[in-house]
Amino acid sequence: DAGVIQSPRHEVTEMGQEVTLRCKPISGHDYLFWYRQTMMRGLELLIYFNNNVPIDDSGMPEDRFSAKMPNASFSTLKIQPSEPRDSAVYFCASSLGRQTNQPQHFGDGTRLSIL
Amino acid sequence: AQTVTQSQPEMSVQEAETVTLSCTYDTSESNYYLFWYKQPPSRQMILVIRQEAYKQQNATENRFSVNFQKAAKSFSLKISDSQLGDTAMYFCAFMKQAGAQKLVFGQGTRLTINP
Repeated sequence: DAGVIQSPRHEVTEMGQEVTLRCKPISGHDYLFWYRQTMMRGLELLIYFNNNVPIDDSGMPEDRFSAKMPNASFSTLKIQPSEPRDSAVYFCASSLGRQTNQPQHFGDGTRLSIL
Repeated sequence: AQTVTQSQPEMSVQEAETVTLSCTYDTSESNYYLFWYKQPPSRQMILVIRQEAYKQQNATENRFSVNFQKAAKSFSLKISDSQLGDTAMYFCAFMKQAGAQKLVFGQGTRLTINP
């Protein structure tokens, strides 16, 4: 079975540019999560969705960040405008929430570098 | 709010040795789940083992086992007969049983298995 698919795997762009990260969750999973990983702050939950609806976005750092889930098989995390401090690895994960002991399955992450 | 603490930033052992990684957590919840995730240099986040707090029996998965001490809020991971492929960052994580599906991660322990 296909796991969580993220694209791109690497992204290098200049400060001020718009960045869009993409995620395809595992088919049938009803929860989707976006995490950011940095050396300083570790793994932080940015936002998560249940049945395509944002449930908790309290981890989104500021208005420059936005996330959408237009359907059950696709989500985006957008940064506009990007800043060097946004450089990090961004992970998407999905899970089958109605069985609450089911773990979250992670994608391979997107390494984002803002110059 | 829940917190997860991994007090060992780095550990190093020889191949075939047994190693134990420590994790403590703080919560007022009585029912919850605990996880250990492995992140090798390839950057994937891989579930190693999980434990339901209501179960007294410690979880095991082949060479991986946990020592779950609910009263002490401790959740250590033991790796037996360590292998070179076990070299990775290991993250302990907490999730409440009811309500939000949010994972709270510790800062991680970098484990190196030496030949």
